[in-house]
Amino acid sequence: QSALTQPASVSGSPGQSITISCTGTSDDVGAYNYVSWYQQHPGKAPKLLIYDVSSRPSGASNRFSGSKSGNTASLTISGLQSEDEGDYYCSSKTTNGDVLFGGGTKLTVL
Amino acid sequence: QVTLKESGPTLVKPTQTLTLTCTFSGFSFSTDEVAVGWVRQPPGKALQWLTIVHWNDDKRYSPSLRSRLTITKDTSGNQVVLTMTNMDPVDTATYYCARGTLEGGFDFWGQGIMLIVSS
Repeated sequence: QSALTQPASVSGSPGQSITISCTGTSDDVGAYNYVSWYQQHPGKAPKLLIYDVSSRPSGASNRFSGSKSGNTASLTISGLQSEDEGDYYCSSKTTNGDVLFGGGTKLTVL
Repeated sequence: QVTLKESGPTLVKPTQTLTLTCTFSGFSFSTDEVAVGWVRQPPGKALQWLTIVHWNDDKRYSPSLRSRLTITKDTSGNQVVLTMTNMDPVDTATYYCARGTLEGGFDFWGQGIMLIVSS
């Protein structure tokens, strides 16, 4: 099993929208609607932003949204803010019942 | 309020066996259909899923580490224990435990424990 593929870095200016992609296969991302997204700030534990492709847990900002098409899931952050800067990871359940994470994307707010 | 906390050694020698404990509160294996898993993160690198145990004792392991990992749950004590054998310096990482769902997500995380493998 290889990690899900994410761009190494993305950037945007305050107020803009950015999208981070997460590409897998028909054995993981494409198999179920079980993709999650996490935000991680330096030295902190990851925080769940999105689960089941597009659902937000209680307390998560509605500026974060998720979608999926085929074997690729996407996280969109609208109205970028400086506090959004950090690392973002996708994950997916696989047909074996395992969990795969993506390689992570570093978001820079210019 | 859901909380999880990892405990264990912060330094182990190569070839030794690592034992980490995750102590949680705010949910229970005996009353909730939940799971607890372990995820690690080498310094400067990505998250890596290791293993998970569900309320019904269903256990899953990372294929690449399956031969070295064991996860057990102590229902009465609200603890989950991770055992990893034959430790190597490449296993140096922050180890997190987290509450998992049937759908594979992790909604609550511990603070993590930084482990160094060195002689």
